[in-house]
Amino acid sequence: SQTIHQWPATLVQPVGSPLSLECTVEGTSNPNLYWYRQAAGRGLQLLFYSVGIGQISSEVPQNLSASRPQDRQFILSSKKLLLSDSGFYLCAWSAFDTQYFGPGTRLTVL
Amino acid sequence: GESVGLHLPTLSVQEGDNSIINCAYSNSASDYFIWYKQESGKGPQFIIDIRSNMDKRQGQRVTVLLNKTVKHLSLQIAATQPGDSAVYFCAENTQNTGTASKLTFGTGTRLQVTL
Repeated sequence: SQTIHQWPATLVQPVGSPLSLECTVEGTSNPNLYWYRQAAGRGLQLLFYSVGIGQISSEVPQNLSASRPQDRQFILSSKKLLLSDSGFYLCAWSAFDTQYFGPGTRLTVL
Repeated sequence: GESVGLHLPTLSVQEGDNSIINCAYSNSASDYFIWYKQESGKGPQFIIDIRSNMDKRQGQRVTVLLNKTVKHLSLQIAATQPGDSAVYFCAENTQNTGTASKLTFGTGTRLQVTL
């Protein structure tokens, strides 16, 4: 069966510091991968998606970037965090249309 | 623009009763819909899905109904249990490139189960 991992689970970072969140998927090949952000009490906002290694599509202009160095690895990064980057970051994978989510990373920028 | 919204932000239901969570969507071209359950501090969990060529689909204690005429989606939970307490999101497939889907999510409905 397929499993999706995210780490770290929680992160507290100062404004201006870099960021690297990692997502890995097991049990499937060539998945579509997604990064979402969820503000407190809100819905999910799609940030990036990828259909293959090195292929990244950005949905909203922002302070973040994504990379896919391996088939089942998706990384979310920032060079300098802003206060507004705080939130719950979720990675998801799909084989076609159904998306399955990881456990999430809670990021607090102070 | 495309949007998916929910009628009730919070729904309080007594244990053992049936729950109905509603969702409206605006993109009549959407062909696939999903319901997710999200418990506090966790990622959304897939519950059930339905394609636009169907109007009803049943799972274990859950039923999804799709009314394309009025662009309305509902999730019915039978014999609601305390473990059903969570936020429920509907999601609409707003784009299918043939390689990746793009889902638009509603803002969510919180289901509170009272004893």
